Amino acid sequence: SFELSQPPSVSVSPGQTASITCSGDKLWNKYICWYQQKPGLSPLLVIYQDSKRPSGIPERFSGSNSGTTATLTISGTQAMDEADYYCQAWDYNSEVNTAMVFGGGTKLTVL
Amino acid sequence: EVQLVESGGGLVQPGGSLRLTCEASGFTFDDYAMYWVRQAPGKGLEWVSGISWDSGITGYADSVKGRFTVSRDNAKNSLSLEMNSLRVEDTALYYCTRDGRGSYCGSVSCPSYIDYWGQGTLVTVSS
Repeated sequence: SFELSQPPSVSVSPGQTASITCSGDKLWNKYICWYQQKPGLSPLLVIYQDSKRPSGIPERFSGSNSGTTATLTISGTQAMDEADYYCQAWDYNSEVNTAMVFGGGTKLTVL
Repeated sequence: EVQLVESGGGLVQPGGSLRLTCEASGFTFDDYAMYWVRQAPGKGLEWVSGISWDSGITGYADSVKGRFTVSRDNAKNSLSLEMNSLRVEDTALYYCTRDGRGSYCGSVSCPSYIDYWGQGTLVTVSS
């Protein structure tokens, strides 16, 4: 079955650039989006359709999809960006119906 | 302001049933596909089920197929998830979510995403 793989953790110093990867089969055929989740809160969409930012999301958040790996990049990382990040795409499930698939999540630590 | 408010969670024994409900407001409910996403304690996100705006298309994760049923009542701006034969591994916070584009995905090239999440309702399956 289709899976999205993310590193369990990424560390970055304040002001530096953080990159979180999401890999899976045939990503060239899929759109990737990214969600941020802080402790005790519901997830928040930060990137959709590979590289688009929803209204209200800071410009330091950007996304890309090379076809084999999708990347969420946070430029000038701030302490408030410390959170779990999940990538998401669509694939077929065992019944050949479409199903939403999430990556396992990456804990971003800003230290 | 878009609001999604879940209810119906609680403690249930293995093999039992629960019905979750999501009350939607702040948008035209029948313009949007809706999804249920869950998160086990300390774990990641897992898509559970989805339904198109007109209930014409429904989808389920393999882990819940045959046990869970999603439905909606557009007249009441309400989304539901009927959960039967519950297992310990169904223990999770269940989120009601909205499709950002409106349409239910029909292909793997689908550009859909979730633009709004509720606060979640906790389901605990334990003896």
